[in-house]
Amino acid sequence: EAGVTQFPSHSVIEKGQTVTLRCDPISGHDNLYWYRRVMGKEIKFLLHFVKESKQDESGMPNNRFLAERTGGTYSTLKVQPAELEDSGVYFCASSQSGAGYNEQFFGPGTRLTVL
Amino acid sequence: DAKTTQPTSMDCAEGRAANLPCNHSTISGNEYVYWYRQIHSQGPQYIIHGLKNNETNEMASLIITEDRKSSTLILPHATLRDTAVYYCIVFSGTYKYIFGTGTRLKVLA
Repeated sequence: EAGVTQFPSHSVIEKGQTVTLRCDPISGHDNLYWYRRVMGKEIKFLLHFVKESKQDESGMPNNRFLAERTGGTYSTLKVQPAELEDSGVYFCASSQSGAGYNEQFFGPGTRLTVL
Repeated sequence: DAKTTQPTSMDCAEGRAANLPCNHSTISGNEYVYWYRQIHSQGPQYIIHGLKNNETNEMASLIITEDRKSSTLILPHATLRDTAVYYCIVFSGTYKYIFGTGTRLKVLA
């Protein structure tokens, strides 16, 4: 069974540019999450989808970040315009539907560098 | 903020048991203890979780104290590949994990 995949693995962009990160969850997982780690900090929750609906986006830092999950399958996280402080590793995770205690499976992450 | 406290780092000799402690004194009755690890810069990897009973799987054992205010993750025979940052997470089922700083475990040859 394929795990959570993320694309690209690395992205280097200039300040002010736009970047779109993609996450493909494990097939059949209705729950999809985005987290990120910025340099020297803990991994922080960004948002949670159930199928195509946003359930909790309390961790989104500002309106430069837009997450979508059209059709309830893969998800994208767009940063527009990117700022220096957006640099970090962005992780996606997915879990089965049902009780919230199902473990989350994480992807390998996308390392974003904003110059 | 994370509801857990873990030592910053630990060393363990290869082949020996690694015992990683976690304090969660404010844990509520419906909150589980989850353990994940992150090897290098890979994504966090699920290890084990429990509510109040001790748990064991092919990777590790989880010992939770009777008052549930602390727990210990046990890797019975640590290998070099177990070198990683280990996170203890108190999870209430609200879907989002709150990560702390974790314990950096170094397994020594």
